[in-house]
Amino acid sequence: KAGVTQTPRYLIKTRGQQVTLSCSPISGHRSVSWYQQTPGQGLQFLFEYFSETQRNKGNFPGRFSGRQFSNSRSEMNVSTLELGDSALYLCASSFISGSYEQYFGPGTRLTVT
Amino acid sequence: GQNIDQPTEMTATEGAIVQINCTYQTSGFNGLFWYQQHAGEAPTFLSYNVLDGLEEKGRFSSFLSRSKGYSYLLLKELQMKDSASYLCAVRDERADSWGKLQFGAGTQVVVTP
Repeated sequence: KAGVTQTPRYLIKTRGQQVTLSCSPISGHRSVSWYQQTPGQGLQFLFEYFSETQRNKGNFPGRFSGRQFSNSRSEMNVSTLELGDSALYLCASSFISGSYEQYFGPGTRLTVT
Repeated sequence: GQNIDQPTEMTATEGAIVQINCTYQTSGFNGLFWYQQHAGEAPTFLSYNVLDGLEEKGRFSSFLSRSKGYSYLLLKELQMKDSASYLCAVRDERADSWGKLQFGAGTQVVVTP
């Protein structure tokens, strides 16, 4: 069974631009969660989607948004990029919302210059 | 909110035992997770505790005391490949937050020959 995939793996953007990251969960998994990881703040929860509905949201500004498609693939979008948005963005999938078996993808490394 | 504390770094010798402590102060609790993350890679699931006591899985064991807000991860017979960051994470008890994990900053374990 293929694991969680994220594209692109690396991305360089300039301040003010927007970016869209993609996550394909493990086949059959319907829950996708997104996290931001930085050296200073560690892993922080962004949001969770289940059956195309956002179930949970972390404490991030409205510039961070996401969605989930009917095939469970998910995208997150960051608008008006700031230098502080430079981070590793990880997504994790699980079969059902809240399952303790949560599998992480390799992440997208975003650098904002 | 949740406050999760774990040591920043620990060093141990190959073949030894290391215990990583995690303390948490939360408004609610519905499970504690341990993840391992090698540099540049995604976190991988190690253990899940929701009831008090010890869970053993090969060389790794995890303990939970809900009354004390305390957990530890025990790594036995350390190997060089165990050098990694170990992340403690707590899930809120609210059903609408089950997909949301709050992570500690991580403990970097360095295994020396």
